[in-house]
Amino acid sequence: EVQLVESGGGLVQPGGSLRLSCAASGFTFTTYSLNWVRQSPGKGLEWLSYISSRGSPIYYADSVKGRFTISRDNVESSLYLQMDDLRAEDTAVYYCVRSSGRMEYWGQGTLVTVSS
Amino acid sequence: EVVMTQSPATLSVSPGERATLSCRASQGVTNNLAWYQQKPGQAPRLLIFGTYSGAFTRATGVPDRFSGSGSGTEFTLTISGLQSEDFAVYFCQQYNNWPRTFGGGTKVEIK
Repeated sequence: EVQLVESGGGLVQPGGSLRLSCAASGFTFTTYSLNWVRQSPGKGLEWLSYISSRGSPIYYADSVKGRFTISRDNVESSLYLQMDDLRAEDTAVYYCVRSSGRMEYWGQGTLVTVSS
Repeated sequence: EVVMTQSPATLSVSPGERATLSCRASQGVTNNLAWYQQKPGQAPRLLIFGTYSGAFTRATGVPDRFSGSGSGTEFTLTISGLQSEDFAVYFCQQYNNWPRTFGGGTKVEIK
């Protein structure tokens, strides 16, 4: 069974940093691309970043480019999102998603709240 | 960026009836289009996606009352014979261009 388990969310002040992690299991991690997608409270879905199976190419949404960094560890079967210079509008549930074009499998998400 | 527009925002349907949801792309995305279902407190779930053949196929475990159609800029998700578990929010998403973009969602509620 494919499992994606996010962690690392929490409350952070504006301007602060947070690192999200996603532990993957149930599939051959090295052969799949991964993404981060977020959903603000009561709002729609926003794709944030993509990383291919080998770590390149990488793409970002304009809203996070220069502030967020996606990475993966193919030995540990883990995906990461380093989030710097956080803003109130970054408050959302962050999902780790496996993709093959379409977003095939989603984790349950981790909540990030940016507030003073 | 490709803007995805879903309509209607809310659809009131009686159990057993058919629901037709629309998704429009601001530019052509061939059939690189997927539909997701989201229930309260849960992550989205992949329902239907476009394939290389031009057809749409259901994800594993998705009942055959769900079907997708369209190409280019106009897409439709049809739910035939709505069941109680189908009342949820549905999102479309294009994966033809970067950045990947989602529609704003259609909430299917009980009439």
